[in-house]
This record gives sequence, structure tokens and C-alpha cells, in this order.
Amino acid sequence: AQKVTQAQTEISVVEKEDVTLDCVYETRDTTYYLFWYKQPPSGELVFLIRRNSFDEQNEISGRYSWNFQKSTSSFNFTITASQVVDSAVYFCALSEAEGGSNYKLTFGKGTLLTVNP
Amino acid sequence: DTGVSQNPRHKITKRGQNVTFRCDPISEHNRLYWYRQTLGQGPEFLTYFQNEAQLEKSRLLSDRFSAERPKGSFSTLEIQRTEQGDSAMYLCASGRSGGTGNQPQHFGDGTRLSIL
Repeated sequence: AQKVTQAQTEISVVEKEDVTLDCVYETRDTTYYLFWYKQPPSGELVFLIRRNSFDEQNEISGRYSWNFQKSTSSFNFTITASQVVDSAVYFCALSEAEGGSNYKLTFGKGTLLTVNP
Repeated sequence: DTGVSQNPRHKITKRGQNVTFRCDPISEHNRLYWYRQTLGQGPEFLTYFQNEAQLEKSRLLSDRFSAERPKGSFSTLEIQRTEQGDSAMYLCASGRSGGTGNQPQHFGDGTRLSIL
């Protein structure tokens, strides 16, 4: 069975601080995908990034960066120089990718990030 | 790309009533998913359609729940004889096959169901 653990329930930072959101996953598949989604107070889940299990290169997109480490089954997300608009719930998710997969997502419980001015 | 549209945004009903939600996916997306999200939790998978075929249903989907996607376009999720425990946000997501494997799912704003 697949499982995603986001141990940090809530994080509060002051604007311009860097913050890292942790994600640890469990799967028996050798091929899988990892995702991060953002859920602002309005409620819509916004896709941020997708990584497949064969690509361990870290990725940077503006103030966002992701660190994927298969050895520790972790896919952590860092926001550099946080802004108030980054305040949201962030979800890490995992999907299977073996033959015949329907690619359904297994989500963690989310981390509520509050960035204070 | 007009995004995934869900209606209604909010639904308040009395226990025991039937409710139906609608999801209009992104037009070229052949995959459609329903998830349920309760307060403080991540979304949980309910069911999956590829085109008009319902290919998987979660054990969370009791026999009071039914979903359809009659022409492979929009989808409906119906809950019969609603119970207090059905109160949640119901999220629809769509995605497309092909390309480099698992294309990301795009979510609608959800329908928030409150059972009185």
C-alpha cells in the first residue's frame, strides 16, 4: 500500500524566511510519481510539480525548489524568501505508475504554512 | 484551457436527502477522478473514469454513492440517503493520457457538502 507522511502539521514563518516542507513516502512500486500541490484558502488544489521515480535531479523554479532522495524516500519542498501569498496548505502526493495504472493520487495530510508580514 | 468546473460550490441538505454534484473536466482530458476531503486531511480517492468507463472504485465509495460519466465528458456524483459523515469537500480532477507518462491532474474548486 502507498503512504505519504507530512510530519509537519503547521509551520509559521516571518516573511523573507526560507522554509522547508517535509514529505516522506512509502511504496512497493519501482516506478512512481511524486507531486506537490498548493491549496490556498479559496480551496482549489494548484499543481506545483511532478517528478518520476527515475529522475532524482533537484529542481528549482523561481523561489521554489524540490529535493528528491530515493535513498530516504523523501521529496522535500523549499520556499526561499517566503511571501505572505505563499500562505496555504501544501500537499505532497504519490501515484503509482506500473502497467495498467490509473494514476490515482495518494495524498499526505498536508502542511499549513502561514507567512506573517 | 478553461479549467475543471464543479457545481454547485456549496450544498446544504438535511440528512436522508439525495444530492448530485457535477464536474466538467478540461475538454481534452480523458481521465476523470473524484476525491473527498475532510477537514484537516488530504484528499482521498473515490473513483476513476477513463473516458466513459468507470475503472476503479474505492472502498470509501459505499453503495449509497454512484458516479457516472455518460459520454466521456462531464461526470456526476450522486449520494443517496445522505448521512452526517458525508459532510466533506468533494473534489473532481481531470488529466490526460499520453505524453511522458502520468500527466498531472488538474483540480476543480470542489463542492462543499454540509449535512444538517
